[in-house]
Amino acid sequence: DADVTQTPRNRITKTGKRIMLECSQTKGHDRMYWYRQDPGLGLQLIYYSFDVKDINKGEISDGYSVSRQAQAKFSLSLESAIPNQTALYFCATRGTGGSDTQYFGPGTRLTVL
Amino acid sequence: DAKTTQPTSMDCAEGRAANLPCNHSTISGNEYVYWYRQIHSQGPQYIIHGLKNNETNEMASLIITEDRKSSTLILPHATLRDTAVYYCIVRVPGSARQLTFGSGTQLTVLP
Repeated sequence: DADVTQTPRNRITKTGKRIMLECSQTKGHDRMYWYRQDPGLGLQLIYYSFDVKDINKGEISDGYSVSRQAQAKFSLSLESAIPNQTALYFCATRGTGGSDTQYFGPGTRLTVL
Repeated sequence: DAKTTQPTSMDCAEGRAANLPCNHSTISGNEYVYWYRQIHSQGPQYIIHGLKNNETNEMASLIITEDRKSSTLILPHATLRDTAVYYCIVRVPGSARQLTFGSGTQLTVLP
């Protein structure tokens, strides 16, 4: 089984709808991240969390919110989706200590019409 | 994080070694070199990292020059499934800063 899973894998929605993307991990990591990727571009950080009680904004948090329900679960919400939020969304985890390795989920392809 | 420079694209014949270069001339003493790759539309995948000694794992080898201003990722026997964008990232381990993926190198393994 994959260490980092994301649901749904694909989603098509309409402008103004509320959408939740979910991420679960079995690696036991404290740190979790949400990134978005637009076609042909690099990853942009939306939010990150270092533990259940810690939530931090990334570089493009406007229009998004997150919830860290448990160490293993980190959800990303789009309160009112708009077309320019159409992108690939990746969740990632990272352990504490000196390791800087991040482990990514398979991604969610979101299309906002 | 130190800036990195990578070629935009490279081709490699299947079964041959793929050598992907990365320049990081402004690297500081406590920064490591990390390599990730992203197969089309999949999540990025960690490959290897190192400080100054050459490193090898089951996926690849990492050769870092003595002055640490450049490095080379080596895939010893490239397969078609190694076709991906390869990212070289330089950073201090444990930094709270996000990973910054530049434009990377598109490696195409040809049959």
